Amino acid sequence: EPEVTQTPSHQVTQMGQEVILRCVPISNHLYFYWYRQILGQKVEFLVSFYNNEISEKSEIFDDQFSVERPDGSNFTLKIRSTKLEDSAMYFCASSAGGYTQYFGPGTRLTVL
Amino acid sequence: DQQVKQNSPSLSVQEGRISILNCDYTNSMFDYFLWYKKYPAEGPTFLISISSIKDKNEDGRFTVFLNKSAKHLSLHIVPSQPGDSAVYFCAASGAGNTGKLIFGQGTTLQVKP
Repeated sequence: EPEVTQTPSHQVTQMGQEVILRCVPISNHLYFYWYRQILGQKVEFLVSFYNNEISEKSEIFDDQFSVERPDGSNFTLKIRSTKLEDSAMYFCASSAGGYTQYFGPGTRLTVL
Repeated sequence: DQQVKQNSPSLSVQEGRISILNCDYTNSMFDYFLWYKKYPAEGPTFLISISSIKDKNEDGRFTVFLNKSAKHLSLHIVPSQPGDSAVYFCAASGAGNTGKLIFGQGTTLQVKP
């Protein structure tokens, strides 16, 4: 069964460093999303992406964040200058256009 | 932003009995609701969904009920199995229609053998 994959599973970085989180969505899906879950809190929407552009972003998704679909298979989330409060699980999701989104296993980002 | 609420952080039931997980929402523009199950160190896994034009959707052991007037939905699992032990998230979509899902805080279900 097709699934969303994410790499790395765990990323440790120093505050102020740039990180890139990678996702391979399900191959025939057209809509892509990033969510995050800070430990003990709810899953929060960050950004949605369709047709090579952002369709919606949350207030969390400030100028330090960017997304890109560099080729036909990858979808990336970049954080330019990480802060301690960026430590969280980051989930990529994709959908074929309906409401149901399929999530990857997540990347645990730890900012020291 | 508390548009979707799951007021019970945890639930414990005996194997074979019914599990009922509840979810409330405030935004009447939501038109689709989903339940996800999450195991530790994994991503949310889609379980079942319901459109706002329906009041019930069933898939095997899982049934979701929607009460639009009360802005309330519930997930019933019958019979509960130990493998159902996980965190269950309610999510809503439709407001703004970019596909954004708004999640509740989650309810941890423990099914005891």
